[in-house]
Amino acid sequence: GESVGLHLPTLSVQEGDNSIINCAYSNSASDYFIWYKQESGKGPQFIIDIRSNMDKRQGQRVTVLLNKTVKHLSLQIAATQPGDSAVYFCAEYVSGGYNKLIFGAGTRLAVHP
Amino acid sequence: GAVVSQHPSRVICKSGTSVKIECRSLDFQATTMFWYRQFPKQSLMLMATSNEGSKATYEQGVEKDKFLINHASLTLSTLTVTSAHPEDSSFYICSASGTGSALTVPDTQYFGPGTRLTVL
Repeated sequence: GESVGLHLPTLSVQEGDNSIINCAYSNSASDYFIWYKQESGKGPQFIIDIRSNMDKRQGQRVTVLLNKTVKHLSLQIAATQPGDSAVYFCAEYVSGGYNKLIFGAGTRLAVHP
Repeated sequence: GAVVSQHPSRVICKSGTSVKIECRSLDFQATTMFWYRQFPKQSLMLMATSNEGSKATYEQGVEKDKFLINHASLTLSTLTVTSAHPEDSSFYICSASGTGSALTVPDTQYFGPGTRLTVL
């Protein structure tokens, strides 16, 4: 496989705080990025996406920032809630005929009351 | 909208048997379907990509004779794990991308809920 996460870093936050999850992507030619949320025993759920012609995109309580210079992506979650506890993956889109996504290693977000 | 289902959600089988997992797009046409496997506390690993009516494209290191993929229609893909062994135990997840009004973001992959395979 092209992306295997051997480590799963954890971000612990208090309920109500803002969370920032970071991701470094590998391919400078990638032009589309997605953040997914995966709860235990479930498939990944689409959260927000961004194309390379943008550096910021906002959704409901979430913001994605893209820095192409350093190949860095971040997901900001405002007023984090217990239901936000999950593993978050960034994924980059690699052109080449089959819309193949490359997943990052993932970050576990633990929200404490 | 953009719902992908998988069946079964969980399966336990004996070593040497074959297991078929179904992946369906319920409200859109999935021109491309993807199969991933995920080990505990790890990221998703792409196994293969298939377009409807075409042979699947397998990632390096994935045995195509062991993991048979069929994408016979725009709403259904199947993954058959042949002669399963304990090391095949994993969480198998499919995703689909395609066209249709249910897709809020075209070209994005929408994931199924996954199938937990345990081989004894």
